[in-house]
Amino acid sequence: GENVEQHPSTLSVQEGDSAVIKCTYSDSASNYFPWYKQELGKRPQLIIDIRSNVGEKKDQRIAVTLNKTAKHFSLHITETQPEDSAVYFCAASRGSGNTGKLIFGQGTTLQVKP
Amino acid sequence: ETGVTQTPRHLVMGMTNKKSLKCEQHLGHNAMYWYKQSAKKPLELMFVYSLEERVENNSVPSRFSPECPNSSHLFLHLHTLQPEDSALYLCASSNGQGNGETQYFGPGTRLLVL
Repeated sequence: GENVEQHPSTLSVQEGDSAVIKCTYSDSASNYFPWYKQELGKRPQLIIDIRSNVGEKKDQRIAVTLNKTAKHFSLHITETQPEDSAVYFCAASRGSGNTGKLIFGQGTTLQVKP
Repeated sequence: ETGVTQTPRHLVMGMTNKKSLKCEQHLGHNAMYWYKQSAKKPLELMFVYSLEERVENNSVPSRFSPECPNSSHLFLHLHTLQPEDSALYLCASSNGQGNGETQYFGPGTRLLVL
């Protein structure tokens, strides 16, 4: 069945360093890949997404890359700050029809040490 | 944030109780979702409603019963739950336009079954 694998499960970096989280997906028909950030006790919030017609998208300190051939995509956070500490979830979707079912990865707990 | 609201925010219930979770979205979306979030597990999709019709039921036990009376409201009726059902229940909504659906989450209901 459809599956999204996310690594690493935990990541600790020093403030100012970069952080990279990687996901692989199994459904080759997937064409929409969002990333959500969930701070402790809060709801998941979309931080960036990418569609299959582009290979890279950037928004200030965060960027996402997509390799459709290899079926993997990655989140890159540069110049990390303590407020980046949270759980990050990747997801994949076929993005067609009215349901847009998202398959989520297991999550990565990012800790940014001051 | 008032886009997607959920009540109650916390709920403690016994295994013989009947309770309901409520979700309301103020974004004009036409699809709504129930997710279960347990510790150290990915977000698990439970139900999807599109245009008030249930389009997905991910093998959820019958002790969970969803209801979508209109496109803005979604309920999850609970009865005879088990302790392992304790989790954060998240509602989400999206605008299904067939081009990748960004889902917006509510704050969740933290459920504890004793």
